[in-house]
Amino acid sequence: SQQGEEDPQALSIQEGENATMNCSYKTSINNLQWYRQNSGRGLVHLILIRSNEREKHSGRLRVTLDTSKKSSSLLITASRAADTASYFCATATNQAGTALIFGKGTTLSVSS
Amino acid sequence: GAVVSQHPSRVICKSGTSVKIECRSLDFQATTMFWYRQFPKQSLMLMATSNEGSKATYEQGVEKDKFLINHASLTLSTLTVTSAHPEDSSFYICSARYSGGSADTQYFGPGTRLTVL
Repeated sequence: SQQGEEDPQALSIQEGENATMNCSYKTSINNLQWYRQNSGRGLVHLILIRSNEREKHSGRLRVTLDTSKKSSSLLITASRAADTASYFCATATNQAGTALIFGKGTTLSVSS
Repeated sequence: GAVVSQHPSRVICKSGTSVKIECRSLDFQATTMFWYRQFPKQSLMLMATSNEGSKATYEQGVEKDKFLINHASLTLSTLTVTSAHPEDSSFYICSARYSGGSADTQYFGPGTRLTVL
């Protein structure tokens, strides 16, 4: 099962520009996490934001969470070619022992 | 952070054979592990939840007799794809849930690329 949509599905930008990806989900959550995946590789955990938080920063990453709209956004500032990857949001519910459920992902391409 | 390994990282097999994939939590105990499948250019789809010492819980549409899961210890879960067919070719990713301290996080393995000829 999947939680919902991410948009855009694909995003192409130039180095130095900012990239914004959005994620919507359907159920109540305990936290929402963002992951990066380079082509054919495993997942890299980027950031976790809890349901009682509205914004979180980590380096060039900024994540927002709006639980009333059941949506989150990931902003990557001053993008680099190395940021080229697929980005997924994943939600965790309050029910103990349940798995993370992933969104469909956004494929980001940063050209130099 | 905690480390989860998968073995093998890549496997090619003939149609009709069975393939076993191992998922190990290397430096923590995981009472719960999860198996995901990812087709090309798609997201991760949860296949099943593996609980140590009990039967796995499968998601709707996932055949439990085809995807056998055994969680024999607190550090090892195995997924066996029985009688594999080309449509089973996919990227299989496991994760282990760490519930220590104030963290409640899933740690992901690096994935296993299965190609069925």
